[in-house]
Amino acid sequence: AQTVTQSQPEMSVQEAETVTLSCTYDTSESNYYLFWYKQPPSRQMILVIRQEAYKQQNATENRFSVNFQKAAKSFSLKISDSQLGDTAMYFCAFMTRGSGAGSYQLTFGKGTKLSVIP
Amino acid sequence: DGGITQSPKYLFRKEGQNVTLSCEQNLNHDAMYWYRQDPGQGLRLIYYSQIVNDFQKGDIAEGYSVSREKKESFPLTVTSAQKNPTAFYLCASSTNRGSGNTIYFGEGSWLTVV
Repeated sequence: AQTVTQSQPEMSVQEAETVTLSCTYDTSESNYYLFWYKQPPSRQMILVIRQEAYKQQNATENRFSVNFQKAAKSFSLKISDSQLGDTAMYFCAFMTRGSGAGSYQLTFGKGTKLSVIP
Repeated sequence: DGGITQSPKYLFRKEGQNVTLSCEQNLNHDAMYWYRQDPGQGLRLIYYSQIVNDFQKGDIAEGYSVSREKKESFPLTVTSAQKNPTAFYLCASSTNRGSGNTIYFGEGSWLTVV
């Protein structure tokens, strides 16, 4: 079974500073996808960034970037120039094939609550 | 606008009653999913469906049922057999074609047992 571990239940960062959220996972699969989702107080799950396991290059989306270490099964999220709107729960997720043909499943970590301080 | 619509946003259920949460998507996605979120936990998979008239159990399917009669719709019924149904429920969908394999979420439904 796949597991996803986020070891930091809560973190805080000053506005305009940089923060890194950690995530490790365990799997025997060789082909998979990794995601970071953001959940603000509205509870909507918003995709932040996506990484294919077969790609060595780390994904980047504007102020968000990842450090993907496949051998170490580590997938951390770096937020640069933090903004007040970044305050949210952040979930790391791992995607693998489900039991149905062509289907996929996401397994989530328990989340990290990030607070951006003015 | 394209998206995933869940209704109702808030629902109260008396003990012993069945309730159905609606999920509709106009993204032409093949796969649909239902997740449950409890305080202090991530999302847990209840059911998922890859094609019409087919669905599979997730990690916590007991006490829930689903149907997939149309590609756009994937309603979730919380039955009286579900002993602790109070939670936040999220519907999601994905396409598995091309550069897909990304799951997108609706805005969620709160279910409270009174």
